[in-house]
Amino acid sequence: AQKITQTQPGMFVQEKEAVTLDCTYDTSDQSYGLFWYKQPSSGEMIFLIYQGSYDEQNATEGRYSLNFQKARKSANLVISASQLGDSAMYFCAMREYGGATNKLIFGTGTLLAVQP
Amino acid sequence: NAGVTQTPKFQVLKTGQSMTLQCAQDMNHNSMYWYRQDPGMGLRLIYYSASEGTTDKGEVPNGYNVSRLNKREFSLRLESAAPSQTSVYFCASSEGVPGPQAGYTFGSGTRLTVV
Repeated sequence: AQKITQTQPGMFVQEKEAVTLDCTYDTSDQSYGLFWYKQPSSGEMIFLIYQGSYDEQNATEGRYSLNFQKARKSANLVISASQLGDSAMYFCAMREYGGATNKLIFGTGTLLAVQP
Repeated sequence: NAGVTQTPKFQVLKTGQSMTLQCAQDMNHNSMYWYRQDPGMGLRLIYYSASEGTTDKGEVPNGYNVSRLNKREFSLRLESAAPSQTSVYFCASSEGVPGPQAGYTFGSGTRLTVV
């Protein structure tokens, strides 16, 4: 069964430093997608970055990059040059493409606090 | 702006009352979902609708019912609210095809308190 694990309930990072948020996943499908979402204190869910299981290169979107290690089943989010506005909850999610359903499974989230 | 519209944003209910959360999307997505978010538990799927005319249970369906009224609208009903249903509820929609578009567009959420 598919599962997402985020082992860091909370993290601190200094402004302008890089931070890595961990995510491991479990699936028996060969075809799947991995997603990261940001939830600021205002509550909305914001899509950040996507990685497909067959993508050979790690995904990047501005200051966000996804460190995809397929053999280890990990999809860590790296935020470079942290800003105060990066303080938020971050969710990792996965979707299997081989099955009949098309839903995302979410991890429990990591709360990131950026300190000045 | 195109997206997912979810109403109401806030609601307080007494135990035993009923209510319906409304959700509508204008992106012509086939799939729609209802999640609840509780501290320390991430987002848990209540019900989903892979396409118009179909609905399926998710991880935590007890105490809820849904209706896929048409392709645009997917409502969530609490027939007899309980304090355990105090949560933040999110509606979402997505394409059914692999790729970045397989991710969700979320509504802004409904903060529900049952007293």
